[in-house]
Amino acid sequence: QVQLQESGPGLVKPSATLSLTCSVSGYSISSGYFWGWIRQPPGKGLEWIGNIYHSGNTYYNPSLKSRVTISVDTSKNQFSLNLSSVTAADTAVYYCAREEWSNLEYWGQGTLVTVSS
Amino acid sequence: QSVLIQPPSASGTPGQRVTISCSGSSSNIGSNYVYWYQQLPGTAPKLLIYRDHQRPSGVPDRFSGSKSGTSASLAISGLRSEDEADYYCAAWDDSLSGHVVFGGGTKLTVL
Repeated sequence: QVQLQESGPGLVKPSATLSLTCSVSGYSISSGYFWGWIRQPPGKGLEWIGNIYHSGNTYYNPSLKSRVTISVDTSKNQFSLNLSSVTAADTAVYYCAREEWSNLEYWGQGTLVTVSS
Repeated sequence: QSVLIQPPSASGTPGQRVTISCSGSSSNIGSNYVYWYQQLPGTAPKLLIYRDHQRPSGVPDRFSGSKSGTSASLAISGLRSEDEADYYCAAWDDSLSGHVVFGGGTKLTVL
């Protein structure tokens, strides 16, 4: 059973960098698939942020690309999201997921990140 | 404005058949598979339909997907109260080095 769990601060100050980690169990990241991040502002729809392959190859949402970095740590079976220069518009529930070309089969439960001073 | 266009809302009575549309372009739906997700209130989205019309194990056959050209549809037959949820379509988009695009979501209300 593949399980994903997001972790990180629930409150981030404006202009700071948002950092989240997704811990994967039941499957080795090194075995394949892409590993992605998706977010959902309160009361709004889903927005894909980007993904990473175990080799480090990444794809990013063009609208966020200048601020996003996704990295992977296969030794810990984790992958991470860094989103820089955050504003209130980045307040959202952030999900991690195992994905394959928009096939998001397994999701984490999500973690709310609020950007506020 | 989402890249994939969905109606913001849909509704039906128990037992009815409801259809949700998803309109895209040649760079996404027109050349890649469509996926559908169901999001119940307060929960993470769940994969409902993959590769245009395939159902993961455990998804009732009341749910079906189809695609034609640059548009796709999700149909729910024998509507039940527990189907009340938000539904999202998604596809890979080949433009700008490639990325995933979502529809804006459709809130389904069971009257």
